[in-house]
Amino acid sequence: EIVLTQSPGTLSLSPGERATLSCRASQSVSSGYFAWYQQKPGQAPRLLIYAVSNRATGIPDRFSGSGSGTDFSLNINRLEPEDVAVYYCQQYGSSPLFSFGPGTKVDIK
Amino acid sequence: QVQLQESGPGLVKPSQTLSLTCTVSGGSVSSGSFYWNWLRQPAGKGLEWIGRIYATGGTNYNPSLESRVNISIDTSKNSFSLKLTSVSAADTAVYYCARVAAVVGMYFDYWGQGTLVAVSS
Repeated sequence: EIVLTQSPGTLSLSPGERATLSCRASQSVSSGYFAWYQQKPGQAPRLLIYAVSNRATGIPDRFSGSGSGTDFSLNINRLEPEDVAVYYCQQYGSSPLFSFGPGTKVDIK
Repeated sequence: QVQLQESGPGLVKPSQTLSLTCTVSGGSVSSGSFYWNWLRQPAGKGLEWIGRIYATGGTNYNPSLESRVNISIDTSKNSFSLKLTSVSAADTAVYYCARVAAVVGMYFDYWGQGTLVAVSS
């Protein structure tokens, strides 16, 4: 079983700052099978980034993903109030077939 | 535009069976290009994948739930369903249905809005 660990647990930044979120896997994850989601309060998760670095349809270019193997990052440039959410990483391939990290909560100061 | 909509009872008694249906619009569950999934999220907690079904009816489940889960597909109603037996309070959660576009990659590109199911007597 691949365990995903996200850090930090909570990130509190000012508008306009850059947020860097980390996701570490207990075993190597295929790049094609790694994604990030944004979940705003009371809403379903929304796909942000797929295959490590590809933005989903309609996602602004302020969001970018990078990484490989066991270490992945999500960067949010020029943080906006609408970016307040919990961000989850997700992998596919190890039993269970899909698993998620515990999430990073992004707040605006 | 693909849309998924969960439906079913919001309250289930302990030891009984939780039954939910996800109705798909703007796309076909018969398409061989997609997997149709169920996930859940207890209040204030993270996401847990429950299982998936393919157009052919083939399924995969989370081993932690496999003994209690059944996912089926109804192409005539363009929907798929979840049954979770012998529920307890630990099964109280928001349940989501979601699509995976298998030919593109293994990630959830469309989600339902979610439905809260409480297990209580």
